[in-house]
Amino acid sequence: ILNVEQSPQSLHVQEGDSTNFTCSFPSSNFYALHWYRWETAKSPEALFVMTLNGDEKKKGRISATLNTKEGYSYLYIKGSQPEDSATYLCAFAGGTSYGKLTFGQGTILTVHP
Amino acid sequence: DAGVIQSPRHEVTEMGQEVTLRCKPISGHDYLFWYRQTMMRGLELLIYFNNNVPIDDSGMPEDRFSAKMPNASFSTLKIQPSEPRDSAVYFCASSFWSQPQHFGDGTRLSIL
Repeated sequence: ILNVEQSPQSLHVQEGDSTNFTCSFPSSNFYALHWYRWETAKSPEALFVMTLNGDEKKKGRISATLNTKEGYSYLYIKGSQPEDSATYLCAFAGGTSYGKLTFGQGTILTVHP
Repeated sequence: DAGVIQSPRHEVTEMGQEVTLRCKPISGHDYLFWYRQTMMRGLELLIYFNNNVPIDDSGMPEDRFSAKMPNASFSTLKIQPSEPRDSAVYFCASSFWSQPQHFGDGTRLSIL
């Protein structure tokens, strides 16, 4: 059983604050780490796929880093806006099946105006 | 590209009835996944296919659940007989290899 854990479980911030959260995953048999954004009443939407140790990806105010040796990834949001409120899921690809993703439980972010 | 298409969007039916959920993946994608979202367990993988072949169905709750993928452009998830505890949102997703998965809009299932 692959263990993918995210912390914190939920986060409340004020508009304009910068924030970050963590995803930890198995450091062996690693293939890729995905981040998804999931707004209420919608379906998950891919943000990033990272494959190389030390990878850093950026999309607007959101960025992510990857450390495959120690098995963690950080997602950063700079200058949070109310529209950033969503659940952020990370997912690990590796083990014995590279096509299958093992999802974490997610971090629920609420940005207050 | 129309994205992953699921039908129906909502289904309300009585306990004991057969329920069939449908999914059309994105053309060219070789993986198809069925997920269930519940408050208790979050997003859980039920079954996935690679090139139309079921690879891992260990997430299927019990024999009442079955899934098929007769061709590259269509998959069904069937529950027979349905029970109230099957009420959830069911998502279908597709991907090419381990590229990002594209999710459908989901089917909100309510079993009375």
